[in-house]
Amino acid sequence: DAGITQSPRHKVTETGTPVTLRCHQTENHRYMYWYRQDPGHGLRLIHYSYGVKDTDKGEVSDGYSVSRSKTEDFLLTLESATSSQTSVYFCAISGDRRGSYEQYFGPGTRLTVT
Amino acid sequence: DQQVKQNSPSLSVQEGRISILNCDYTNSMFDYFLWYKKYPAEGPTFLISISSIKDKNEDGRFTVFLNKSAKHLSLHIVPSQPGDSAVYFCAASGDYKLSFGAGTTVTVRA
Repeated sequence: DAGITQSPRHKVTETGTPVTLRCHQTENHRYMYWYRQDPGHGLRLIHYSYGVKDTDKGEVSDGYSVSRSKTEDFLLTLESATSSQTSVYFCAISGDRRGSYEQYFGPGTRLTVT
Repeated sequence: DQQVKQNSPSLSVQEGRISILNCDYTNSMFDYFLWYKKYPAEGPTFLISISSIKDKNEDGRFTVFLNKSAKHLSLHIVPSQPGDSAVYFCAASGDYKLSFGAGTTVTVRA
């Protein structure tokens, strides 16, 4: 299994508070991703990174920001959490091999915004 | 607008029989397709993939078929086993990003 960890694994927070989720990899992969999983929607891309300090938006980026200051860490921040951001968040990584786009996922973080 | 669709939210199959999961896509720029399996409280795990230059790829009990003209792919699991009970996601890519379907929950009955 790819070495990907996420912290925390579970979090309950109140509306309006900032929240940061952390993804850590030991594979030295170039690409890192944040997804959210919601019933009926599958996995939707929030933000992704293609290198240190290089990030871009996904399809559901509103209300989220990311940072990547080291290859191994990719942080997702909810600036002011809302109940609509209650979800399960997954981090994923992939390498730099053209024509092969497998991504490998972390165990997920269950976030509840009350 | 969802570019990858899995129109069957659930599938129930008897142990030992074939499971067939379907997936449709709309973006003709997609050139790589993947299937992921997900158990509750775990992250998705990569199962099998296929490039658009092929129409079939096999890996043990799992076979993926691609019909580019119909923009359709399917995953066949033969024979189905109890451990195959999970949610299966179809995904497509034209670059380093993946677009996922909503998933199909497979239940294998004894």
